Amino acid sequence: DAGVTQSPTHLIKTRGQHVTLRCSPISGHKSVSWYQQVLGQGPQFIFQYYEKEERGRGNFPDRFSARQFPNYSSELNVNALLLGDSALYLCASSLGGIRDRALNEQFFGPGTRLTVL
Amino acid sequence: QKEVEQDPGPLSVPEGAIVSLNCTYSNSAFQYFMWYRQYSRKGPELLMYTYSSGNKEDGRFTAQVDKSSKYISLFIRDSQPSDSATYLCAMKKEGAQKLVFGQGTRLTINP
Repeated sequence: DAGVTQSPTHLIKTRGQHVTLRCSPISGHKSVSWYQQVLGQGPQFIFQYYEKEERGRGNFPDRFSARQFPNYSSELNVNALLLGDSALYLCASSLGGIRDRALNEQFFGPGTRLTVL
Repeated sequence: QKEVEQDPGPLSVPEGAIVSLNCTYSNSAFQYFMWYRQYSRKGPELLMYTYSSGNKEDGRFTAQVDKSSKYISLFIRDSQPSDSATYLCAMKKEGAQKLVFGQGTRLTINP
C-alpha cells in the first residue's frame, strides 16, 4: 500500500506570493494533519482535518489555511509568504474519529520543502 | 519554557553501543508518547508508541515513560550505522490529534 504522498517535493517562491501544498493520506485514513518543521526544530502543528471539517488549529496566522476534500486528500494554502515561512511542510494521516481517544498512529509523508526568497 | 524539552545533541557513539535518548515535559495532561526517527530531508517515521507509564520493547528499541517525573526515554541496543538520524519525541493529550514535538536529537553511530 502507498504511504502518505505529498506534492510538490520542493518549491521556491518569493516574498508576498501564495503557495498551495497537497497531501494524499493512506487509503482508509480520514484524518489529515499539517505540520511545519523549521530547520533544526521539531515539527509544529498547524491544522487537523477530519471528515472535511477542521478539528484543530495551531498558533499560526490567518495567512495559513487548509481544506480537506471528499476523497480525504488535503491542501494547505499560505498567502503573503514571508521569509520565515521557509520550512519543511509535513502532512500526517491517521484513522481519526473515535480512535483519536486511543492509540491512533499518525503516519507522516516525505514533506514539501518550501524556500521563500 | 517549551512544553517538551529535548537535548539537540549532536550525539556520537561507536557501533554496538547502547544509546539513551531522553525528553522531559511540563504538561501532565499528556497521555500518549511517541518516538519518531527522521533521516535527513525525509519525513518522520514512527518507531515507538506508548500509552501512560511503563516500558515497551520492540527489537533493539525500548521506550520508557515515567509520568511521575514527566520523563521519557528511548534506548537503542546494539546500535548500527543505519540508526544515524534525528530522533524526535512527541506526545499528545487524551482525545487530541495534535502532536507536540521535542526539538530532536541528532545521533551518529560511527562504524
